[in-house]
Amino acid sequence: DVKVTQSSRYLVKRTGEKVFLECVQDMDHENMFWYRQDPGLGLRLIYFSYDVKMKEKGDIPEGYSVSREKKERFSLILESASTNQTSMYLCASRPIAGGRVEQYFGPGTRLTVT
Amino acid sequence: AQTVTQSQPEMSVQEAETVTLSCTYDTSESDYYLFWYKQPPSRQMILVIRQEAYKQQNATENRFSVNFQKAAKSFSLKISDSQLGDAAMYFCALTTQGGSEKLVFGKGMKLTVNP
Repeated sequence: DVKVTQSSRYLVKRTGEKVFLECVQDMDHENMFWYRQDPGLGLRLIYFSYDVKMKEKGDIPEGYSVSREKKERFSLILESASTNQTSMYLCASRPIAGGRVEQYFGPGTRLTVT
Repeated sequence: AQTVTQSQPEMSVQEAETVTLSCTYDTSESDYYLFWYKQPPSRQMILVIRQEAYKQQNATENRFSVNFQKAAKSFSLKISDSQLGDAAMYFCALTTQGGSEKLVFGKGMKLTVNP
């Protein structure tokens, strides 16, 4: 089974702090994704990565950056957390070979910025 | 641009009954995939079923089946013999082959299963 893990289930940070959200997958997937999930808005793509050190902006990249130094790990960084970044953050991964196009999700991190 | 629309924010069903969740989508691509994902209260998003656009046959997975109407751009999910464990948020999603392989999600629908 594919396993995607996220470093924290719940996180509380103060406005202005630098926040790191970590995601690790164990299936050697090339593509990794960060989404935020808000009630009534569904999931919105923040950033994705299709290879080590490669990244592309998603639909809502403002206020976020990412890092992918190793294939299995994809980090989301909030340079200066703000209250409007309070949300659920979901990481996902998928392979690019084998005809599989579905994404596999981690358990999510509920981030509260006060 | 691709869009996915789930017009019903909430539904309820009696245990053992059948329920259908609706989804419409829009894409100009000819090669794409559609998905239903389930997110129980524990929050782990899991894949329920997928449909390749080039396949005419509707996908089925045990009690879950889809009604894929390509011309109408409709993709509904039918849950038969509903169980308490089916209670969750359900998201319809679309991805196109090639390009960035991004998933575009609908806003989700909360399903309640009544005992």
